[in-house]
Amino acid sequence: DQQVKQNSPSLSVQEGRISILNCDYTNSMFDYFLWYKKYPAEGPTFLISISSIKDKNEDGRFTVFLNKSAKHLSLHIVPSQPGDSAVYFCAASAGDNYGQNFVFGPGTRLSVLP
Amino acid sequence: DTAVSQTPKYLVTQMGNDKSIKCEQNLGHDTMYWYKQDSKKFLKIMFSYNNKELIINETVPNRFSPKSPDKAHLNLHINSLELGDSAVYFCASRGGYPAKNIQYFGAGTRLSVL
Repeated sequence: DQQVKQNSPSLSVQEGRISILNCDYTNSMFDYFLWYKKYPAEGPTFLISISSIKDKNEDGRFTVFLNKSAKHLSLHIVPSQPGDSAVYFCAASAGDNYGQNFVFGPGTRLSVLP
Repeated sequence: DTAVSQTPKYLVTQMGNDKSIKCEQNLGHDTMYWYKQDSKKFLKIMFSYNNKELIINETVPNRFSPKSPDKAHLNLHINSLELGDSAVYFCASRGGYPAKNIQYFGAGTRLSVL
């Protein structure tokens, strides 16, 4: 029962182009969404997030779009750089309390080719 | 100065043994987590503690016992290790405002049960 899905296990993009990573969720109670980036032999690190009251959040080269009706979010990276090559995890949470649970997708491996 | 540190980084052991993984955070966060990343790469929450109190306890065999001696530490003890316990285990912490939804992860402990 995957509540958070990332249907593309991998993605290859040319340096300088746009990378678009997709995430779908099934639980309509989710109200906060995050993207984490993970390099090999390291833990995930926070990249960008979005609350369900917004449909877009931008931070430098990274933009996250949220389509609540479609239960879909996407991460855009423009322009893509070789250092962006990593595994990207989408995560979702519901509520705002100490018992807040975070549900992660399986990740998408992004390769940015020079 | 690592924010969330886990030891050991690698752990190779025989079936039936008992082992512990330690986690410490120096971020002053109140909430700590243990996640298991299985062979399909999903990050699944196992436990969450807030101020030394167990908050989340997902469906995990009772061979796994978390212990939080203080809010900066959350250790994971595993009894009678089984082959299926082989995975990467991540510790994480989460703090208060303004970044209350962001988790900070350790580098992971790769457990191999032979």
